[in-house]
Amino acid sequence: LAKTTQPISMDSYEGQEVNITCSHNNIATNDYITWYQQFPSQGPRFIIQGYKTKVTNEVASLFIPADRKSSTLSLPRVSLSDTAVYYCLVAARSNDMRFGAGTRLTVKP
Amino acid sequence: EPEVTQTPSHQVTQMGQEVILRCVPISNHLYFYWYRQILGQKVEFLVSFYNNEISEKSEIFDDQFSVERPDGSNFTLKIRSTKLEDSAMYFCASRYARGLDEQFFGPGTRLTVL
Repeated sequence: LAKTTQPISMDSYEGQEVNITCSHNNIATNDYITWYQQFPSQGPRFIIQGYKTKVTNEVASLFIPADRKSSTLSLPRVSLSDTAVYYCLVAARSNDMRFGAGTRLTVKP
Repeated sequence: EPEVTQTPSHQVTQMGQEVILRCVPISNHLYFYWYRQILGQKVEFLVSFYNNEISEKSEIFDDQFSVERPDGSNFTLKIRSTKLEDSAMYFCASRYARGLDEQFFGPGTRLTVL
């Protein structure tokens, strides 16, 4: 399983764009990159998934460079309710996911 | 919107007792998972289940743990003889298919072992 490295914590202010980068240097050819969000005392919630280049949905964008050794989750115009822990996971289709420590994002007014 | 449900929301038990945590996955999902999260720590994978058998388990999932899908709707996690260190939030998750489909997590059961 590919090891991921993320910042432990980040602070931002309401209305700002937040970019959280995840490093996964030993990503395998058949690995996909998935991001989950977790609020306190709740189960993780899927945000976005991608393999390469850029993926965008109604919640976030995911940027993956050509070498795929890192990925960046971009949250546009965050609000206080985006305060949560964000997990980057790397796994192949046939593998089950393993969570890392995640990034604790705090959005301030 | 369909969701994964878990019962009870909070379970308190004495060390050495058996507990059964229950989950109802989303009805057309085929893959089922248990995770645990000790307070303040990361989410840890325990086990995955497909076609009525365990497909993968972590080193945490030892002989004290078992899973079952007894009736086609419930998915249970049994801990035979609880230890203090089993105190954690236990999350059930389900997925329609392996691969790109997201896992849907339940709200969790907080297990407190005294």
